[in-house]
Amino acid sequence: KQEVTQIPAALSVPEGENLVLNCSFTDSAIYNLQWFRQDPGKGLTSLLLIQSSQREQTSGRLNASLDKSSGRSTLYIAASQPGDSATYLCAVFPGNQFYFGTGTSLTVIP
Amino acid sequence: GAGVSQTPSNKVTEKGKYVELRCDPISGHTALYWYRQSLGQGPEFLIYFQGTGAADDSGLPNDRFFAVRPEGSVSTLKIQRTERGDSAVYLCASSPSPGQGDTQYFGPGTRLTVL
Repeated sequence: KQEVTQIPAALSVPEGENLVLNCSFTDSAIYNLQWFRQDPGKGLTSLLLIQSSQREQTSGRLNASLDKSSGRSTLYIAASQPGDSATYLCAVFPGNQFYFGTGTSLTVIP
Repeated sequence: GAGVSQTPSNKVTEKGKYVELRCDPISGHTALYWYRQSLGQGPEFLIYFQGTGAADDSGLPNDRFFAVRPEGSVSTLKIQRTERGDSAVYLCASSPSPGQGDTQYFGPGTRLTVL
């Protein structure tokens, strides 16, 4: 069974800092990997989707990379802002369902 | 519609009761997924529909859980004889097709509390 791990579980940084969130997965047979954001009491918002044939995707201040062979992905957030505070979830899609990590809770301090 | 909607947003029930949770996917999306998220955890897969049929129900925890999608659009997750351990946020997601390249769009979830 696919297992997804996210490190760190929680992270607190001052505003303006660049940061990296890590995701690892045990089975490299995936079609894609997706990063989501979840605000307290809310659903999930898709941030970036990386197909298995791709190495990275960028959207604004966000950049996600994928190394399928080593089972790793990183989400890089540049120039963090207080509005970035949320839980970030990584999920891999081997076929019929997403397997999620437990998330990294990010707090950006003004 | 503008996005995936779920009703109710909150449901409080007593142990042993029956509940129904509704999901309205984005119009035209053929694939629909149900997930369950417990506090401090990532969502866990329950069931996936392609059209009207359940293509994969391997995540349903036991036979108290059942889901339908009779017309290939709205889906209802049904839980019989609820238990306190069923308390969680139930998330629904839809995607345009079952293709492996599609993103899933999530609803806001239904928070179920079983007393």
